[in-house]
Amino acid sequence: SQQGEEDPQALSIQEGENATMNCSYKTSINNLQWYRQNSGRGLVHLILIRSNEREKHSGRLRVTLDTSKKSSSLLITASRAADTASYFCATDTSGTYKYIFGTGTRLKVLA
Amino acid sequence: DAGITQSPRHKVTETGTPVTLRCHQTENHRYMYWYRQDPGHGLRLIHYSYGVKDTDKGEVSDGYSVSRSKTEDFLLTLESATSSQTSVYFCATRQGSTDTQYFGPGTRLTVL
Repeated sequence: SQQGEEDPQALSIQEGENATMNCSYKTSINNLQWYRQNSGRGLVHLILIRSNEREKHSGRLRVTLDTSKKSSSLLITASRAADTASYFCATDTSGTYKYIFGTGTRLKVLA
Repeated sequence: DAGITQSPRHKVTETGTPVTLRCHQTENHRYMYWYRQDPGHGLRLIHYSYGVKDTDKGEVSDGYSVSRSKTEDFLLTLESATSSQTSVYFCATRQGSTDTQYFGPGTRLTVL
């Protein structure tokens, strides 16, 4: 099974609402990253959180990391229609620089 | 975007034929990666490179080989394409100072 598993698999919300998606992983990590993929495009890096960090912010994005539970969450506040995309977490297992991606959460923001 | 290009962008081929996909970067990043993306599986690592002529296997390397003779180019070869290799292939590089990966636009490969 995947190192990173996102949940929910799909999420539909109204514009202006907050969107929260979660990622769980199995082994110890150096860092965890979140990426966005618009339909038919390559992935775009959003934010990275290192294993010794618990929370990080970037604009409307807030990421938390709980290494004891091996889980992370991505919160997008005040969502916009342009946030409609798939979101993936990726983990960097300690020292390898080999990234394991989850299966993603498909977010749809309704205008 | 980091300067990552992939060629071809689309390819249709027949079972049993060899196929080579090319990834080119202009960022001088040391690490380069090949992933495949399939519905329900997210991205899965095929092979990666940590320097010129230095490569290693990922989780789905069977049926694929790679080569890196220059920093800027990373080639993925399907020696004898099979229908199970129909997929979208993404190349990525890693920026060492930030641990960030940058992705190319992808190659859609169909094996008939």
